[in-house]
Amino acid sequence: AQSVTQLDSQVPVFEEAPVELRCNYSSSVSVYLFWYVQYPNQGLQLLLKYLSGSTLVESINGFEAEFNKSQTSFHLRKPSVHISDTAEYFCAVNFYTGTAIKLTFGTGTRLQVTL
Amino acid sequence: DAGVTQSPTHLIKTRGQHVTLRCSPISGHKSVSWYQQVLGQGPQFIFQYYEKEERGRGNFPDRFSARQFPNYSSELNVNALLLGDSALYLCASSSPVGELFFGEGSRLTVL
Repeated sequence: AQSVTQLDSQVPVFEEAPVELRCNYSSSVSVYLFWYVQYPNQGLQLLLKYLSGSTLVESINGFEAEFNKSQTSFHLRKPSVHISDTAEYFCAVNFYTGTAIKLTFGTGTRLQVTL
Repeated sequence: DAGVTQSPTHLIKTRGQHVTLRCSPISGHKSVSWYQQVLGQGPQFIFQYYEKEERGRGNFPDRFSARQFPNYSSELNVNALLLGDSALYLCASSSPVGELFFGEGSRLTVL
C-alpha cells in the first residue's frame, strides 16, 4: 500500500537551533516528493520539491530536504530556525501512475519555535 | 501573476443544504485539483480535472461532484451537506511538471 508517514506531530525548538522534520513513505512505484508549509488560516505553500536529479533540494529560506530512496525518506532540515518558521509542515508524495496528479499528504508536523 | 484564487473564503451552511465552491487556476495551468482538509489533518484528494475531463477521484461519496470550464476554472459541488463536511476546501493548479500550487481555501462550516 502507498502511504506517507510523519512520525512527529509536534516539534518544539528554540530559535537558532537546528531542526529535522521526518517523512517516510511506502511505495512500489516511482515518486515525486514535496514539502508544503501552512501558516494559520492560510492555504498550503510549496516549500521544496524533488522530481528528479540531485537528491538534495533546497528552498530559498534555508530549508533543505534529501531524498533517500533506500530508506524511502524525505526529511526536512534547517540548520538554524527563526520564530517566523513556526507553522504546520506537510510532506506530500505523488505516487506516479501516469494518470492523475494526486498528492498523498502526511498528517503534518507542527513546528513551534520559541525564544 | 495572480495565484490560485478561490471563492468564497468562508461560508456557513446547514445540514442538507448544497454548496458550490469556485476556483481559478494560475494562468497557463490546465489542471485543477480539489482537496479537503479537516481540522488537524492533512489534505485529502477529492478530484483532479485536466482539459475539462476528470483524471482522478478520491474516496469521497457521490454527493461530491466537480467540473472544469473552458477557461480552466472549476467548481466543486457538495449536496446534502453533513456535519462532517465541515473543512477547508483547497483548490490547486498543476504545473506541467506536476507541482501543485494551492489557493487560500474555502472554509465551510456545516451547522
